[in-house]
Amino acid sequence: EVQLVESGGGLVQPGSSLKLSCVASGFIFSSYNMHWIRQAPKKGLEWIALIYYDSSNKYYADSVRGRFTISRDNSKNTLYLEMNSLRSEDTAMYYCAKSTMGIFDYWGQGVMVTVSS
Amino acid sequence: DVVLTQSPAILSVTPGERISLSCRASESVDTYLHWYQQKPNESPRLLIKYASQSISGIPSRFSGSGSGTDFTLSINGVELEDLSIYYCQQGNSLPWTFGGGTKLELK
Repeated sequence: EVQLVESGGGLVQPGSSLKLSCVASGFIFSSYNMHWIRQAPKKGLEWIALIYYDSSNKYYADSVRGRFTISRDNSKNTLYLEMNSLRSEDTAMYYCAKSTMGIFDYWGQGVMVTVSS
Repeated sequence: DVVLTQSPAILSVTPGERISLSCRASESVDTYLHWYQQKPNESPRLLIKYASQSISGIPSRFSGSGSGTDFTLSINGVELEDLSIYYCQQGNSLPWTFGGGTKLELK
């Protein structure tokens, strides 16, 4: 059974940093591209970052490029999202998702990040 | 970026009826259009891939159609458990984008 478990969220002040983790199980993690997708409260879904299975390529949404960094450790079956210079508009539920050919076939349960003073 | 416009934003439904949800793309995405269901306080789950391909474990009352810029998700015989928000997503070109969603509510 595929499982994706996010952690690392919380309440932080504007301008601060936070690092999210997503531990994967039930599939060969090192063979699949992985993503972070977020959802602001009562809003829709926003894709924010992609990392290839071998970390050879990374892509970001304009809204986070230069502030967020996606990475992975295939030896630990873990995906990361390092978030710097956080803003109030970054407040959202953050999901990690496994993808196959651009399809998000499995999602984690999400982790909440709240940016507020 | 490809903009996906979903309509209607809210649809009031009666159990048992057949309904259709629309997703329109700002440019052609071929059939790289996928549908997701998000129940309250849950993560989204994949319903339909490549516009019309079914997903294992998803009830057969869900179906999809379309190509290019116009797509439809149909539910043949809505059930109470289907009251959710439905999102379309294009995987044709980066950045991947989602539609704004259609919320199904009880009439």
